[in-house]
Formats: sequence, C-alpha cells, structure tokens
Amino acid sequence: LAKTTQPISMDSYEGQEVNITCSHNNIATNDYITWYQQFPSQGPRFIIQGYKTKVTNEVASLFIPADRKSSTLSLPRVSLSDTAVYYCLVAPNTGGFKTIFGAGTRLFVKA
Amino acid sequence: GAVVSQHPSRVICKSGTSVKIECRSLDFQATTMFWYRQFPKQSLMLMATSNEGSKATYEQGVEKDKFLINHASLTLSTLTVTSAHPEDSSFYICSARSFDPGGEKLFFGSGTQLSVL
Repeated sequence: LAKTTQPISMDSYEGQEVNITCSHNNIATNDYITWYQQFPSQGPRFIIQGYKTKVTNEVASLFIPADRKSSTLSLPRVSLSDTAVYYCLVAPNTGGFKTIFGAGTRLFVKA
Repeated sequence: GAVVSQHPSRVICKSGTSVKIECRSLDFQATTMFWYRQFPKQSLMLMATSNEGSKATYEQGVEKDKFLINHASLTLSTLTVTSAHPEDSSFYICSARSFDPGGEKLFFGSGTQLSVL
C-alpha cells in the first residue's frame, strides 16, 4: 500500500479556504485517493474520493496532479465546525488488502 | 451514504469482565470489516480485519485470544474484549468496506469508549 505523508497540524480562520496536501509518491495505477474527517470521540467520516484531476462535491474539492504523487484537499470557507483531523488514504479499488491510517492532519479553525 | 451502527457507544466495566461490541452495516452487505483502537490524540490503529465466514486476521501485537472477533453474517461483526483490564481502556471503532465504481470507501461506526476500572 502507498505510504502517505501529511502535515501534522494546520491553523486557519473562519471564512478562509484551507488546502491540505498529502504526498503518496509510490501510488499504484489502480489506487484511489480518499479523504476522511474525524471529530473527537467519533468515527471518521468519508469526505471525498478521486483518481485523477479534480473532484468536487458539496463539502470539498480534491485536486490530483497528473503524476498522482500527491493530492490536495480543499475546504472552501471553513467554519469552526470544520475543526477536526483529516486523513488521506490511498488504496486500490479491489479487495484483499487492509486499510492503514497515517497520522492525519489536525486542522484548528479559529474565530 | 451507507450507515454503520456500532453499539454500545460507551461502556464502563470492572477489571476481569468481558465486553462485546457490535458493528452492523445497516443498508449494505459488508464482507470485510475492520476493527481499530484509538488513544487520545493519536491516529486509528488497525487491530484486525474481519471477513465474513472466516477467521479474522490480526495485526502484529494484537492478542487474538484477548480480542475475539466474529463476523457471522454479511451485516454483523462483533469484537469481544475478554477479561478486560485497565490497559484495554480505549476508543474502539469499526468500519465496513464498500466498493463502487469510484473506488473503495470505508464507512465507520460512531465508536465505543471502553473504560475498565
């Protein structure tokens, strides 16, 4: 499985756009990139998933360059409630593997 | 999205007792479920992979006789912490794997906070 590297923590202010980048240099051809959000004392929640270029949903955007060795989660106009830990995972879309979480990025949004 | 229900959300027990945690996929079938434990301000640590109808695969360092996993149906996996001790106190989370054309997604339970006195 591709190893991922993210910043340990980030600070932002309400209303700002936040970009969290994840490095996955040894991503494989059939790997997808998925981001999860976790609040304290809760299980993680799926945010967005992509394979290449750009994906956007009602919550976030995911930018993936052509070489796919990194990806950037973009949260537009964050609010205090976006304070959470964000995890980037890289895994194939087939079974028979286990999902390992990295350290994640702790985002703190200030008023 | 798919829903995974985990119960109980919180349990306090005496040392030496056993605790069972249930994880159910409510609107999809999950042939594979995962169990994690998480300590405060740390990431999720994979404990075991649970496959329906077969024995669970445990990560290195996780005692399979201590943490019994049963995945008897496509919608239910259980984790039993046997003879719990204070060092087993932790936040336990389950997840179920779902595949769609966009790739694998994991759906997580809300977690179980276990406190062993």
